[in-house]
Amino acid sequence: AQSVTQLDSQVPVFEEAPVELRCNYSSSVSVYLFWYVQYPNQGLQLLLKYLSGSTLVKSINGFEAEFNKSQTSFHLRKPSVHISDTAEYFCAVGGLGGFKTIFGAGTRLFVKA
Amino acid sequence: GAGVSQSPRYKVAKRGQDVALRCDPISGHVSLFWYQQALGQGPEFLTYFQNEAQLDKSGLPSDRFFAERPEGSVSTLKIQRTQQEDSAVYLCASSPLTDTQYFGPGTRLTVL
Repeated sequence: AQSVTQLDSQVPVFEEAPVELRCNYSSSVSVYLFWYVQYPNQGLQLLLKYLSGSTLVKSINGFEAEFNKSQTSFHLRKPSVHISDTAEYFCAVGGLGGFKTIFGAGTRLFVKA
Repeated sequence: GAGVSQSPRYKVAKRGQDVALRCDPISGHVSLFWYQQALGQGPEFLTYFQNEAQLDKSGLPSDRFFAERPEGSVSTLKIQRTQQEDSAVYLCASSPLTDTQYFGPGTRLTVL
């Protein structure tokens, strides 16, 4: 069975500070790993994903995540956050073909001026 | 074209009523997923369709929950005899048979 643990339910941070949102997963098979973001009053949207190849993946808005197989982690980082990054972030794991994606409980990132 | 749409956006039902939630996926998307998201939680998988075939319904919480996608496009999630614990946001997502899912805005169901 697959599972996802997001270690922090809320992360408050000041604008322009770095941030790390932690995610650990468990799975007995090869997985795809995802980070989805939900901005206030909007639907979930894909932020970035790891399928294979380079373990460091990046989004277009400055976020990156590194797949660490030995630690079963896929932490999300950004070196300098903006107010507009305030949102809920969900880590997810999916099997081959994307079937039955399992989501974590989410981390609410709150960026303060 | 347009993204995934869901209707209604909000639904209030009295306990014991039946409800039907609709999902219009992105045109041409083969895969369709339903999720249930309780307050303060992440989405939980309910069921998955590939075209009109329901390939996985292991997440449906009880036999009161039923989903269909008869023509491989629009899907309906039906909940019979609603109970208070069914209150949640129901999310639909579609995918062109790849790893990336595109989510709709959800239907917020409140059972009184």
